[in-house]
Amino acid sequence: GQNIDQPTEMTATEGAIVQINCTYQTSGFNGLFWYQQHAGEAPTFLSYNVLDGLEEKGRFSSFLSRSKGYSYLLLKELQMKDSASYLCAPHDSNYQLIWGAGTKLIIKP
Amino acid sequence: GAVVSQHPSWVICKSGTSVKIECRSLDFQATTMFWYRQFPKQSLMLMATSNEGSKATYEQGVEKDKFLINHASLTLSTLTVTSAHPEDSSFYICSARKLEGSAYEQYFGPGTRLTVT
Repeated sequence: GQNIDQPTEMTATEGAIVQINCTYQTSGFNGLFWYQQHAGEAPTFLSYNVLDGLEEKGRFSSFLSRSKGYSYLLLKELQMKDSASYLCAPHDSNYQLIWGAGTKLIIKP
Repeated sequence: GAVVSQHPSWVICKSGTSVKIECRSLDFQATTMFWYRQFPKQSLMLMATSNEGSKATYEQGVEKDKFLINHASLTLSTLTVTSAHPEDSSFYICSARKLEGSAYEQYFGPGTRLTVT
């Protein structure tokens, strides 16, 4: 079967660092996307991993371990506008994305 | 970048009527577009995959005759909710697939909030 496991909710402080973990079991895994979704809005692309290792994009970094079925999104220098849901979405060779419920991140001053 | 638009952004309709939602890729051609539905506090649910010039592929449990999808050009896909009922009230989001380097990325439209009264 296909399954994605992320924490339901996390809280962090403005200016701090937070790591959102994602474990997945999918058939035909080919890569993994991270998306940000603010309440009432569509998801926006954050990062993409296909090989093992760390991809860095400004304040956001994403890590992938294919053998462990594990990824994380690292957010640095947190800002209030980072309060959103973060979606880990692995995909198969047809780029069919699998969506979990995401992690709701709450940033406090 | 890549921009995907949706129209309308929100719509209220009466039960039994039909509603058409448009999804356009504004600055790239998309041979494949996806239609999702999202209920409050739930994950995105893929409804169908829309391929230009061919019939859409629907996910299990999604009624083809109720959710009509037309992908007539490389920049436009439409979703028509026929004979809408209150349980069809949801947030409908489309995405378009674009080749970036050696991988495809999905760019999402802003979504359409449908309320059926």
